Amino acid sequence: DAGVIQSPRHEVTEMGQEVTLRCKPISGHNSLFWYRQTMMRGLELLIYFNNNVPIDDSGMPEDRFSAKMPNASFSTLKIQPSEPRDSAVYFCASSLEDRPYEQYFGPGTRLTVT
Amino acid sequence: GNSVTQMEGPVTLSEEAFLTINCTYTATGYPSLFWYVQYPGEGLQLLLKATKADDKGSNKGFEATYRKETTSFHLEKGSVQVSDSAVYFCALNKNQAGTALIFGKGTTLSVSS
Repeated sequence: DAGVIQSPRHEVTEMGQEVTLRCKPISGHNSLFWYRQTMMRGLELLIYFNNNVPIDDSGMPEDRFSAKMPNASFSTLKIQPSEPRDSAVYFCASSLEDRPYEQYFGPGTRLTVT
Repeated sequence: GNSVTQMEGPVTLSEEAFLTINCTYTATGYPSLFWYVQYPGEGLQLLLKATKADDKGSNKGFEATYRKETTSFHLEKGSVQVSDSAVYFCALNKNQAGTALIFGKGTTLSVSS
């Protein structure tokens, strides 16, 4: 089976531009998580969904960030406008409803904002 | 809220050496505890877990015991290999209600032959 799929793997953009990161969770998984990883702050949970519904978005940094999950097989994380401090690796992870803590991570998207 | 603290790295060992990576936690209630591993260029993957006090999680030669009295979940391996070189993250559930995890800062392990 395919694991969690993220695209793009690398994104370089200029400050002020809109960035959209995409994630396809493992088929059958009910929960989806977006994380951000930086050297300074480590791994931070941004938002997670259960059955396509956002449950906890307290980690979303500010209004420039938004996430959607229109169906069980697709989610997006959008940053608009992007800033240099948004540069990080963004991970998507998914899990089964009866094993919520056994999360399967995608390979990540490395975002660089210049 | 719940939080986790793990030793800073990097940890540099020779092949076949004994490994300990310390992890302590602060939590209300009785959290579940986890170790995740991140190999270079990849996402994290679950290494082992323990869901109640005195449980021992184990996988691939790694072990960790849930110690409620010391609020610790130290990761150990008796004989490390070069292929164990990675970043190791201690984690616990964010709260009793949800399914989110809180991760430590990560400890980089480098094993040389």
